[in-house]
Amino acid sequence: GQSLEQPSEVTAVEGAIVQINCTYQTSGFYGLSWYQQHDGGAPTFLSYNGLDGLEETGRFSSFLSRSDSYGYLLLQELQMKDSASYFCAVGTNAGKSTFGDGTTLTVKP
Amino acid sequence: DTAVSQTPKYLVTQMGNDKSIKCEQNLGHDTMYWYKQDSKKFLKIMFSYNNKELIINETVPNRFSPKSPDKAHLNLHINSLELGDSAVYFCASSQSRGGTEAFFGQGTRLTVV
Repeated sequence: GQSLEQPSEVTAVEGAIVQINCTYQTSGFYGLSWYQQHDGGAPTFLSYNGLDGLEETGRFSSFLSRSDSYGYLLLQELQMKDSASYFCAVGTNAGKSTFGDGTTLTVKP
Repeated sequence: DTAVSQTPKYLVTQMGNDKSIKCEQNLGHDTMYWYKQDSKKFLKIMFSYNNKELIINETVPNRFSPKSPDKAHLNLHINSLELGDSAVYFCASSQSRGGTEAFFGQGTRLTVV
């Protein structure tokens, strides 16, 4: 099966940089995605890595190392509105997408 | 212009009832999913369809039956509802089978009383 580990909570201040790590175990790895979910809302797609390396999208970047079964989401210039839950998700060749348990990010003034 | 829309947004029903949740996507994606998010916010995949064909069926009670009349629609029917079925159910779609870059509907908050 698939399993993912990510920290349950992270706290940072406005303007800071925070990194949310994700380690996974899976067979038939296809790619690693990141999603943001605000309370009461739906998950929204942030970033995807299918190959090793860094993907940058504005203030958000995501990194993948397939050999280490490891990835991270980097959030820069944190804003209060970034307070949310962040999920890493592993997709497999068989079409299955498994989500981590989520990391609650709290941004303080 | 909603990309993935599901109805209803809220559903309150009694134990033992049968209910359906509808989902439609206008993105032209080939793959659609149903996820369940419980009170602890854990997101678990339930079903995945690719071009109307069931490709993933997780350990979900037989009371849950998905139906995909065409690749733009994936409905979820639930029989004999139980208290433990209370959760938020999300429909999603993606272009690839790997579940990458999935777009989610607004969710349906199901409460069984």
